[in-house]
Amino acid sequence: DVKVTQSSRYLVKRTGEKVFLECVQDMDHENMFWYRQDPGLGLRLIYFSYDVKMKEKGDIPEGYSVSREKKERFSLILESASTNQTSMYLCASSFGWPTSNYGYTFGSGTRLTVV
Amino acid sequence: AQSVAQPEDQVNVAEGNPLTVKCTYSVSGNPYLFWYVQYPNRGLQFLLKYITGDNLVKGSYGFEAEFNKSQTSFHLKKPSALVSDSALYFCAVRFSTGTASKLTFGTGTRLQVTL
Repeated sequence: DVKVTQSSRYLVKRTGEKVFLECVQDMDHENMFWYRQDPGLGLRLIYFSYDVKMKEKGDIPEGYSVSREKKERFSLILESASTNQTSMYLCASSFGWPTSNYGYTFGSGTRLTVV
Repeated sequence: AQSVAQPEDQVNVAEGNPLTVKCTYSVSGNPYLFWYVQYPNRGLQFLLKYITGDNLVKGSYGFEAEFNKSQTSFHLKKPSALVSDSALYFCAVRFSTGTASKLTFGTGTRLQVTL
């Protein structure tokens, strides 16, 4: 069964810490994405990557960075965690155009709490 | 800019009754439309998609959706709801731009099916 695996289901971090969220996919997908999900706001795109070492900002990149050194792994980095970054973080992957029409495969999510 | 709207935060329906979860989109080209479902503390699961062709699309778990270009809508439907259908449903839209694919998600609609 194809998978997108997020390394942690729950994380609790302190304000000011540097936080790493890891995502690995085994489908040889070109595209990978990081979203955050908040009640009433739906899913908002933070960053995405369409190839190794390539990245583009999404709608809400402030306070975040990403790294994609290998095709299967996409990391989200919170440089200095703040309480307003408490959220559910979802990783997703997809094939590139045109097979990206088949949509995304999502991980199970990481619920991050910053205290 | 592309956008998608889910006008209802919550839909309540009795088991055995038909259900509809609404989605409308704003587009300047040909939309690719998706529905995803999210169960508690899980990532999103793909339900169905419209790319081209027949306006009535059938998907997983007995769900279907109707693409209506004139009304720019893509409502999710099921003839007979089950309690196990209770979940959060997201509509998403992608445009055939040829660039790295990105989905824009609605804010989600919580479906509550009761006995």
